[in-house]
Amino acid sequence: GENVEQHPSTLSVQEGDSAVIKCTYSDSASNYFPWYKQELGKGPQLIIDIRSNVGEKKDQRIAVTLNKTAKHFSLHITETQPEDSAVYFCAAAYGNNRLAFGKGNQVVVIP
Amino acid sequence: GAVVSQHPSWVICKSGTSVKIECRSLDFQATTMFWYRQFPKQSLMLMATSNEGSKATYEQGVEKDKFLINHASLTLSTLTVTSAHPEDSSFYICSANEGSYQETQYFGPGTRLLVL
Repeated sequence: GENVEQHPSTLSVQEGDSAVIKCTYSDSASNYFPWYKQELGKGPQLIIDIRSNVGEKKDQRIAVTLNKTAKHFSLHITETQPEDSAVYFCAAAYGNNRLAFGKGNQVVVIP
Repeated sequence: GAVVSQHPSWVICKSGTSVKIECRSLDFQATTMFWYRQFPKQSLMLMATSNEGSKATYEQGVEKDKFLINHASLTLSTLTVTSAHPEDSSFYICSANEGSYQETQYFGPGTRLLVL
């Protein structure tokens, strides 16, 4: 199966600075990589995703980059705001459209 | 679009009782739904994949007789925790596939289960 590693586990940034979360995956056949934001007591919310036919995707302050050769992908959040504070999960798709999740990253934006 | 709901949002029950959780895709049809459980400060663990009109596929280590899944329509899947025990207390979250690629999963708000 697929194994997804996510680093760092906790990230604190000053409001307005950028935050970067990195993930690696093990299955070279994986071709879909979503990122989810989860606030306390709520379900995960899809914030951006990328497929293996592109190397980068951007949506306003959020971007994701993918390096298929190295089997890693990253989430970039620019101009961070307090409402960006949450747990972020990366995931990689594998057999039968299942998702393997990383362990999550607690992002704290300090006002 | 792509809204998934769950009911109830939280439930408290006595040990030995059964609890049913509903997962609905509100504005799209989902041929596949997934059930996860999440313990505090941990990641999401896939329990089973639910396909409309067929038996669910359970992940290794998940007891199919304890966690009954029914996917009767393209918009509804249910998870029944049978004879619940305190160790079953967790956050249960469903998701549904949407889109032409059928890989994108949208998650429900989750159901908090507490077994006393």
